[in-house]
Amino acid sequence: DVKVTQSSRYLVKRTGEKVFLECVQDMDHENMFWYRQDPGLGLRLIYFSYDVKMKEKGDIPEGYSVSREKKERFSLILESASTNQTSMYLCASTASTTSSYNEQFFGPGTRLTVL
Amino acid sequence: KQEVTQIPAALSVPEGENLVLNCSFTDSAIYNLQWFRQDPGKGLTSLLLIQSSQREQTSGRLNASLDKSSGRSTLYIAASQPGDSATYLCAVLDYQLIWGAGTKLIIKP
Repeated sequence: DVKVTQSSRYLVKRTGEKVFLECVQDMDHENMFWYRQDPGLGLRLIYFSYDVKMKEKGDIPEGYSVSREKKERFSLILESASTNQTSMYLCASTASTTSSYNEQFFGPGTRLTVL
Repeated sequence: KQEVTQIPAALSVPEGENLVLNCSFTDSAIYNLQWFRQDPGKGLTSLLLIQSSQREQTSGRLNASLDKSSGRSTLYIAASQPGDSATYLCAVLDYQLIWGAGTKLIIKP
């Protein structure tokens, strides 16, 4: 069974703090993704990575950065958290983004509140 | 640009009924289509994946179909139960996953 884990289910931070969200997958997947999900806006892709040390911007990268030093771990960093970054953050992984039989698997999500 | 639409946005049916959720997409050049379930405040659970060369997939009481030529997929839920209440999302793989907004399903006991 593919397992994607996220470091925290709930997180409360203050404006201006540096925030790290960690995601780990155990299936040796090449590709990892960070999404945020907001009511009425659906899922939006922040960043993705197709290999160690490689990253690509998604639809809404502003205010975020990422790090992928090891294949199994993909970190999302909020350099200076702001209230508009209060959201549900979802991590996902997949073996391939150009194969018809590869699924994306999701972690349980991190509900981040920035005060 | 690929767009994915799910109609209706919300659906409420009595327990035991069979129901169909709809997903449409604008560009038929997709690798696959996935249906997901999301419970309130939780992550996404993959339900079914239909490869671009397939017409349907089944898992238990769930059956998903894919018609690429018309840009449509349906998720059929047989004999619905209160535990099926959740938001159902579809997504097409077009290098990235392109998401629908979801259908919130409520099964009334």
